[in-house]
Amino acid sequence: GNSVTQMEGPVTLSEEAFLTINCTYTATGYPSLFWYVQYPGEGLQLLLKATKADDKGSNKGFEATYRKETTSFHLEKGSVQVSDSAVYFCALSGNTGFQKLVFGTGTRLLVSP
Amino acid sequence: DVKVTQSSRYLVKRTGEKVFLECVQDMDHENMFWYRQDPGLGLRLIYFSYDVKMKEKGDIPEGYSVSREKKERFSLILESASTNQTSMYLCASTPTGLAGTNEQFFGPGTRLTVL
Repeated sequence: GNSVTQMEGPVTLSEEAFLTINCTYTATGYPSLFWYVQYPGEGLQLLLKATKADDKGSNKGFEATYRKETTSFHLEKGSVQVSDSAVYFCALSGNTGFQKLVFGTGTRLLVSP
Repeated sequence: DVKVTQSSRYLVKRTGEKVFLECVQDMDHENMFWYRQDPGLGLRLIYFSYDVKMKEKGDIPEGYSVSREKKERFSLILESASTNQTSMYLCASTPTGLAGTNEQFFGPGTRLTVL
């Protein structure tokens, strides 16, 4: 079945540091890939997505590229801020019919001033 | 803005009680979902519904049931709460047109503690 593996946290960085959160997946066919973010005390919200190989999703300075050859969708940001402290979830879904989202276990990011 | 609301942010119940968690969305979405979120396990799908009165089991339905009598409301029911159901419960919705892209809209969550 489909599955998502992401790096364990917490990831602790200083403000303005470079961020990478690794995500790899196992899926049949050509899934869509997502990053969701959960700020403290809130539900999840979509951060970015990519629906086919080599697509790059981007939002709020975050980027991720859909790499089919390495089955990866790593999240990156060039300069993190304290306000980026949150839990980040990588997820995938199939692209045909009604497909459920499959989530990774989440990675907590802590950014200090 | 899409708004998904959940009836309680925090709930404390006793073992054996019947517990109702309510979720309401205001954007006329066909599809609604209940997840539980536990540390180290991410989000796991309990049940989902793609239409009024329709429901499908997710990955961990045991000990839970659901009700969808109106399009905007999706209820999660713990028939007899147990301590291993202590968790964060998240509701989400998405319109059918976006199902293939799966941008789900989440509520703020209900943190349930069963004593």
